[in-house]
Amino acid sequence: GEDVEQSLFLSVREGDSSVINCTYTDSSSTYLYWYKQEPGAGLQLLTYIFSNMDMKQDQRLTVLLNKKDKHLSLRIADTQTGDSAIYFCAEIIGDYKLSFGAGTTVTVRA
Amino acid sequence: GAVVSQHPSRVICKSGTSVKIECRSLDFQATTMFWYRQFPKQSLMLMATSNEGSKATYEQGVEKDKFLINHASLTLSTLTVTSAHPEDSSFYICSAPPPTSRETQYFGPGTRLLVL
Repeated sequence: GEDVEQSLFLSVREGDSSVINCTYTDSSSTYLYWYKQEPGAGLQLLTYIFSNMDMKQDQRLTVLLNKKDKHLSLRIADTQTGDSAIYFCAEIIGDYKLSFGAGTTVTVRA
Repeated sequence: GAVVSQHPSRVICKSGTSVKIECRSLDFQATTMFWYRQFPKQSLMLMATSNEGSKATYEQGVEKDKFLINHASLTLSTLTVTSAHPEDSSFYICSAPPPTSRETQYFGPGTRLLVL
């Protein structure tokens, strides 16, 4: 299985907050990422966090990093139908290689 | 912003033929590009690292004679699936990090390959 682990599915009501959790394995990872993939499309970088940060906020997105537990989370405030997609957590290995989690499918219901 | 393109976006081929997929960085030079493979409802698996001016580095379990990679220039890497078989059907995605940034890595839109 993957070294980066995520829950596979999340269903959320429109307007509520979504929280996607991820655990990673490489404590030396300098950057951790969240990517979004819509059906049939490539990956879109949503946000990233440097390993010396605990939190990063970018509009509706909040990333929390717990280095001690190697736990990363992505919170999407006021979730919209356009947020329905697969979200991948990824850690950087070495200079540029990325190791991805299995992806969390987020379904937003009206 | 920086963009990575792939061509073709989808291809259908007969078993036994070879298929070439191109990955281009459109407004930056990429000495390194990455090729991933994604099966339906699964994660991206790194296949190989494409290096401009030198041989590609393949991940364990990836056949280098099956998946030929050529980094022809600072803006182009190609992946050729040789003698394709139905089990090679997949979604192939490339990525390229801008040379001055490790914070971001840009992904192509992907190429869906179907081998009949």
